[in-house]
Amino acid sequence: GIQVEQSPPDLILQEGANSTLRCNFSDSVNNLQWFHQNPWGQLINLFYIPSGTKQNGRLSATTVATERYSLLYISSSQTTDSGVYFCAVAASGTYKYIFGTGTRLKVLA
Amino acid sequence: DSGVTQTPKHLITATGQRVTLRCSPRSGDLSVYWYQQSLDQGLQFLIQYYNGEERAKGNILERFSAQQFPDLHSELNLSSLELGDSALYFCASTILGQLTDTQYFGPGTRLTVL
Repeated sequence: GIQVEQSPPDLILQEGANSTLRCNFSDSVNNLQWFHQNPWGQLINLFYIPSGTKQNGRLSATTVATERYSLLYISSSQTTDSGVYFCAVAASGTYKYIFGTGTRLKVLA
Repeated sequence: DSGVTQTPKHLITATGQRVTLRCSPRSGDLSVYWYQQSLDQGLQFLIQYYNGEERAKGNILERFSAQQFPDLHSELNLSSLELGDSALYFCASTILGQLTDTQYFGPGTRLTVL
């Protein structure tokens, strides 16, 4: 099955810094999503981005499907950005999501 | 508040027992997803329903079953529980169950099997 790898596993930033999180996947996908799990456990769906680039406020994401990776950019980070960021993919022709192990982000005030 | 509710919030039970987790989707959403999050396995997709019908099945064990009722709420049944079933169980709902839909997650049910 598809393998999903995220890097880095852990990231500590000062408030105001920028960061790039990476998601590599091993096969063709027809769905890629980014999620954020805050320190209280709540999951939020950030982006549906099987290809191309999307932006939502200080967050943006780019997926290069032909090279099998996606990047999540966080600019001017805030303490509320802390938590774990997951990418999840579904192989072409399926709805079965496979999650990466996540990047744990801590933003210091 | 995502609009998705899950009950109970916490559940403690013993090995070999059976439990039922409940999920009520956002008003108007037709599709429900179930996920398991454990320290060992990370986040795993279990199963998806759309308007009462199963649409996709992930890593759901045979001891587990789910259904979506005519009022669109969903239940996840876990039987013959093992220590390794201890986890956080999330449900999420979407409007049409399409891959492009945004998923809205409930707060989760924390299951502890002793």
